[in-house]
Amino acid sequence: GAGVSQSPSNKVTEKGKDVELRCDPISGHTALYWYRQSLGQGLEFLIYFQGNSAPDKSGLPSDRFSAERTGGSVSTLTIQRTQQEDSAVYLCASSLLAGGPETQYFGPGTRLLVL
Amino acid sequence: AQSVAQPEDQVNVAEGNPLTVKCTYSVSGNPYLFWYVQYPNRGLQFLLKYITGDNLVKGSYGFEAEFNKSQTSFHLKKPSALVSDSALYFCAPLHGSGNTGKLIFGQGTTLQVKP
Repeated sequence: GAGVSQSPSNKVTEKGKDVELRCDPISGHTALYWYRQSLGQGLEFLIYFQGNSAPDKSGLPSDRFSAERTGGSVSTLTIQRTQQEDSAVYLCASSLLAGGPETQYFGPGTRLLVL
Repeated sequence: AQSVAQPEDQVNVAEGNPLTVKCTYSVSGNPYLFWYVQYPNRGLQFLLKYITGDNLVKGSYGFEAEFNKSQTSFHLKKPSALVSDSALYFCAPLHGSGNTGKLIFGQGTTLQVKP
């Protein structure tokens, strides 16, 4: 079946602009996660949507970052007033259930470059 | 603090030889441990996970990992390496009690298999 998909695959933007990154999880998966992969910080957790419960936003690096998940499916990660340090690959993952040692399946990522 | 360490930035092996990629962890509660592989310009692919039970976990593509509680290690192994195994490997324990959904990623180990 179809895996996790993300769009766009690449995004180049100018410092100060807002960007939206989209994630389509595997159909039927309850939980959705966003991670960021950068040269300086490695792979770091950003946010976790766990079904109908409030999302865990503890990994968001600043209030310029926000995310929503509409209808329990598609998620959008928004970065406002982008900075050069936001340049990274943004990875989305989903798992069948929320909580516990569920396997997270990752999408191909969105490579963001802030000029 | 909960953490994971992959002490080798790069592991070089000859095709056909056994390989080991090392991982040690520090987490509270029962450890739930994952290995992922990342090929160039691709997302992360799940290899295997340890939840409980048998200390030797078998996964995809002939990989296995050995959980050692006393040494807090979860080394990835394969009896006979292939050139196509060359990639970046991540060990990732689940944060906390396992209900958080947050994977803690190490810096990764680049595996280079030479013909």
